[in-house]
Amino acid sequence: GDSVTQMEGPVTLSEEAFLTINCTYTATGYPSLFWYVQYPGEGLQLLLKATKADDKGSNKGFEATYRKETTSFHLEKGSVQVSDSAVYFCALRPAGGYQKVTFGTGTKLQVIP
Amino acid sequence: DADVTQTPRNRITKTGKRIMLECSQTKGHDRMYWYRQDPGLGLRLIYYSFDVKDINKGEISDGYSVSRQAQAKFSLSLESAIPNQTALYFCATSDLRTDTQYFGPGTRLTVL
Repeated sequence: GDSVTQMEGPVTLSEEAFLTINCTYTATGYPSLFWYVQYPGEGLQLLLKATKADDKGSNKGFEATYRKETTSFHLEKGSVQVSDSAVYFCALRPAGGYQKVTFGTGTKLQVIP
Repeated sequence: DADVTQTPRNRITKTGKRIMLECSQTKGHDRMYWYRQDPGLGLRLIYYSFDVKDINKGEISDGYSVSRQAQAKFSLSLESAIPNQTALYFCATSDLRTDTQYFGPGTRLTVL
């Protein structure tokens, strides 16, 4: 079945450091790929998405590129801020009409001043 | 006002009790979902509903039931709560046009 694998956290970075959170997936065809973010005490919210190979999703300084050849969708940000501290979830939705979304286990990011 | 609301936000109960978690949305979406979140396990789908007349089991539906009372309301019940149902529960809706899920703030349930 479909699955998403994320790097385990927590990830601790200093402010202005470069961030990478790895995500790889297993699915047939060309699923849609997402990153959701969960701030403390809140529900998840969509951060960015990509629907086809080589697409780049971007939002709030975060980017992720859909790599079919490596089945990856790594999240990056050039300079993190304390306000980026949250849990980040990689997710996929299978291709071909509606199917349920499969989430990764989440990666907690802590940014220290 | 929040688009997806959940009540209660926190609940402590005892083993064997019946519990209902409620979810309401003002986004006008037909599709609604219940997930549970556990440390190290991410989000797992309990039930989902594509419209008022459509209810589907997710990957971990045992011990849970749902009711879709209206387009805007989707409730989750634990008929006889057990300690391993202690978790954070999220309700969500989805917008097919933007392929986006919208989550409520969550209900933290503790079963003693």
